[in-house]
Amino acid sequence: DAGVIQSPRHEVTEMGQEVTLRCKPISGHNSLFWYRQTMMRGLELLIYFNNNVPIDDSGMPEDRFSAKMPNASFSTLKIQPSEPRDSAVYFCASTTGNQPQHFGDGTRLSIL
Amino acid sequence: SQQGEEDPQALSIQEGENATMNCSYKTSINNLQWYRQNSGRGLVHLILIRSNEREKHSGRLRVTLDTSKKSSSLLITASRAADTASYFCATDGEGAQKLVFGQGTRLTINP
Repeated sequence: DAGVIQSPRHEVTEMGQEVTLRCKPISGHNSLFWYRQTMMRGLELLIYFNNNVPIDDSGMPEDRFSAKMPNASFSTLKIQPSEPRDSAVYFCASTTGNQPQHFGDGTRLSIL
Repeated sequence: SQQGEEDPQALSIQEGENATMNCSYKTSINNLQWYRQNSGRGLVHLILIRSNEREKHSGRLRVTLDTSKKSSSLLITASRAADTASYFCATDGEGAQKLVFGQGTRLTINP
């Protein structure tokens, strides 16, 4: 049974470039979450979707960040333009009902 | 910030010993969860305790919850090298799906 799949696992790019992170949730899960993890701020919820609809994006740091979920099996988190302070590990998680969240292994993003 | 706090931030013990980690939070909750994160990996759910429960067991894990003190503890008995990881508590005080994670306890089990 495949878990949450994130790509790429690592991304290094220069500031000002567009970055797109991808997530495939577990089949049958109808809720999807994007988190950011840094040493300074810990694990922060950025946005979550229910049935492909964004429910709460209050954690999205600024307009440079956007997330989409065009269908039940795919979501993207985009940063444009990227800045060095966006460097972090970005996690995607999915769940259904009241079940615990299942996390992917994250994308380690470095903005130079 | 609504984030919980884990205590201690880091813990190093010998294999076979018991490890206890604590978590404090700020808001009323319906449940509290503990997750484990191995280096370079995502978080893995360990155990959930509801606000009307005081203690819960799962294998070598024992979780307690004191809602009057807004605190929880995770006990790992007979620790193993494979238990080396970071451990996080998460609460649902901001909504059932909006988990708020603590800063984590980094546990090292020495062989």
